[in-house]
Amino acid sequence: KAGVTQTPRYLIKTRGQQVTLSCSPISGHRSVSWYQQTPGQGLQFLFEYFSETQRNKGNFPGRFSGRQFSNSRSEMNVSTLELGDSALYLCASSAALGARGYTFGSGTRLTVV
Amino acid sequence: AQSVTQPDIHITVSEGASLELRCNYSYGATPYLFWYVQSPGQGLQLLLKYFSGDTLVQGIKGFEAEFKRSQSSFNLRKPSVHWSDAAEYFCAVGVYNNNDMRFGAGTRLTVKP
Repeated sequence: KAGVTQTPRYLIKTRGQQVTLSCSPISGHRSVSWYQQTPGQGLQFLFEYFSETQRNKGNFPGRFSGRQFSNSRSEMNVSTLELGDSALYLCASSAALGARGYTFGSGTRLTVV
Repeated sequence: AQSVTQPDIHITVSEGASLELRCNYSYGATPYLFWYVQSPGQGLQLLLKYFSGDTLVQGIKGFEAEFKRSQSSFNLRKPSVHWSDAAEYFCAVGVYNNNDMRFGAGTRLTVKP
């Protein structure tokens, strides 16, 4: 079956703009989580959605938001981009709540200039 | 909250040699423990996971890990490393009903021919 699909793979944006990233989970998976990966901070949890509801949120400013649709697809949005938002954004899906192990997508590489 | 420490930032081993990557976690109850591998520019692939039961866990690609509660450790091992194992390895800890997994900083593995 198809894995976790993230689009786009690469993105270049200008400081101050906003960006939307998309994630399609594995078919049947209802939980989608987002992580930010940077060389300095490593992998940091952004938020998790389950059945269209945000269940957990990491320690990120309100500029970072997300949502999940009824088909479990998820989007995350970053407004007023800053240079420090440059990162690999990883989406992961799992069948249910509870950290029983994710399947990760290949990520979206966001560069803010 | 749970946390993970990977003491070794970078390890170099010769092809065919054995490998052990260290992971120590902090969490008050029995955690869920994971090892992931990441190749450059890619997402994370789950190698193995521990929830309960047998403390020696077998994973994909010939990897295994042993959970030692007394040492709060979950070290990853492989008896004979292949050049294709060169990648970054992440240990992670999760808790029940919460997909806020905490990742270690990662250990970069270099394999010498």
